[in-house]
Amino acid sequence: QVQLVESGGGVVQPGRSLRLSCAASGFTFSSYTMHWFRQAPGKGLEWVALLSYDVSFKYYADSVKGRFTISRDNSRNTLYLQMNSLRPEDTAVYYCARQHESGWYEEYWGQGTLVTVSS
Amino acid sequence: DIVMTQTPLSLSVTPGQPASISCKSSQSLLHSDGKTHLYWYLQKPGQSPHLLIYEVSNRFSGVPDRFSGSGSGTDFTLKISRVEAEDVGVYYCMQSIQLPRAFGQGTKLEIK
Repeated sequence: QVQLVESGGGVVQPGRSLRLSCAASGFTFSSYTMHWFRQAPGKGLEWVALLSYDVSFKYYADSVKGRFTISRDNSRNTLYLQMNSLRPEDTAVYYCARQHESGWYEEYWGQGTLVTVSS
Repeated sequence: DIVMTQTPLSLSVTPGQPASISCKSSQSLLHSDGKTHLYWYLQKPGQSPHLLIYEVSNRFSGVPDRFSGSGSGTDFTLKISRVEAEDVGVYYCMQSIQLPRAFGQGTKLEIK
């Protein structure tokens, strides 16, 4: 079955960096567009970034543009989110999600990894 | 960017009674491909979101038929015909006709 497992979260000081990973299994990872979403404590869902299956297209939310980089290693079935210049407002649970093969929605989500930006 | 507005933000419902959530978008979600890109997710306490409804009115695999979606253009509704205890959580509408994806603020459903 489809599984998405995020890792790499933790506590980091403002201005520092962190890299999140999302290990995928149960499907042909290289065929799917993938997304990152986040959810600040007690708040709603926010879309962060997407990367097409063949890395030809990527897009970022304005709130992270220039600071975060989405990437993937199709040989390792893994999606990444490199987060630089972290701010307290980046504190959130980060979810990776798989886009439907022919639809514009995400049908499978990971369990999330918590990133806390604090001094 | 498209703005999604949900009402109400909270709902307290007696089991067996119906519930309804409204979602309005700042722009039409009807695409030239003929699809309307409006989706509903439920996030149960302590869990990640899961898909309930895609393209306005199509139930995702395994979603009970007490859930239904309707609407067009900019106005949409999620209805639960008979609320059950397991339906508690926060419901989000989401648009994907345009990047960035955008969610409504969420509607918290609790059981009376």
